[in-house]
Amino acid sequence: NAGVIQTPRHKVTGKGQEATLWCEPISGHSAVFWYRQTIVQGLEFLTYFRNQAPIDDSGMPKERFSAQMPNQSHSTLKIQSTQPQDSAVYLCASSLVYAEQFFGPGTRLTVL
Amino acid sequence: QQKVQQSPESLIVPEGGMASLNCTSSDRNVDYFWWYRQHSGKSPKMLMSIFSNGEKEEGRFTVHLNKASLHTSLHIRDSQPSDSALYLCAAPTGANTGKLTFGHGTILRVHP
Repeated sequence: NAGVIQTPRHKVTGKGQEATLWCEPISGHSAVFWYRQTIVQGLEFLTYFRNQAPIDDSGMPKERFSAQMPNQSHSTLKIQSTQPQDSAVYLCASSLVYAEQFFGPGTRLTVL
Repeated sequence: QQKVQQSPESLIVPEGGMASLNCTSSDRNVDYFWWYRQHSGKSPKMLMSIFSNGEKEEGRFTVHLNKASLHTSLHIRDSQPSDSALYLCAAPTGANTGKLTFGHGTILRVHP
C-alpha cells in the first residue's frame, strides 16, 4: 500500500497562470478530501468527495478553484489565474467513511 | 461555523517530562475527536482518536474526553525529542458528513 499519492510535490507558477494538482487516494477508500495549509491560516478544508460525488465544497474560493474526481483512483484540484495568496501546501487525504483520514505528502505551490 | 480551539500555541518540555495539550470545540453536537501529529516537513498522521467520555491510553500517550464541556486533552509522558511536532486536534463537522474541522495546533518542542 503506497498510501495517498500527490503530484507534483512542488509547483512554481507565475501570477495569473493555472495550476493543476493531482491526488491518488488509497485503493478502497470512498472519501477524498482536499485541504490547504499555511502558517497563518493553519489547515483549511477545501472540498470533499464521497464515492466520487462532490459532497461539500464550502471551503473552496469559488471563482478560481475547482475540483473533480473523474474516477475512483484520482482527483484533481485546479486553480485558475493563480495569485500569490494561493501559495500554500495543498494536502489530499482519503478515508473510509467516518474513519481516520490518511494524508498524502502534499503539493507545495509557490506563486511568484 | 464550528471552531476548534487549541492551547497552548506552543509548548517546550524537557526530555522525560510531561506535555499536556488542550482542545475545545464550539459545536455542541461534537461527541468525538481526533488527534493528529505532523512532524516538520511531513503531512499529518493520526495519533489517537477518542469516542467515549473518559480516558484512553496508548503507550506514553493518554487522551481524555469530556463531552459535556466539548473538551479533549492529550498528555504525553516521558516526552522524547522525536515527539517534537505540530499536534492537531480535529472534530467532526456536521452530522454524518465525515468532514473534519482542524484546530491551528500546538507546536511541541522537547529539548534533550
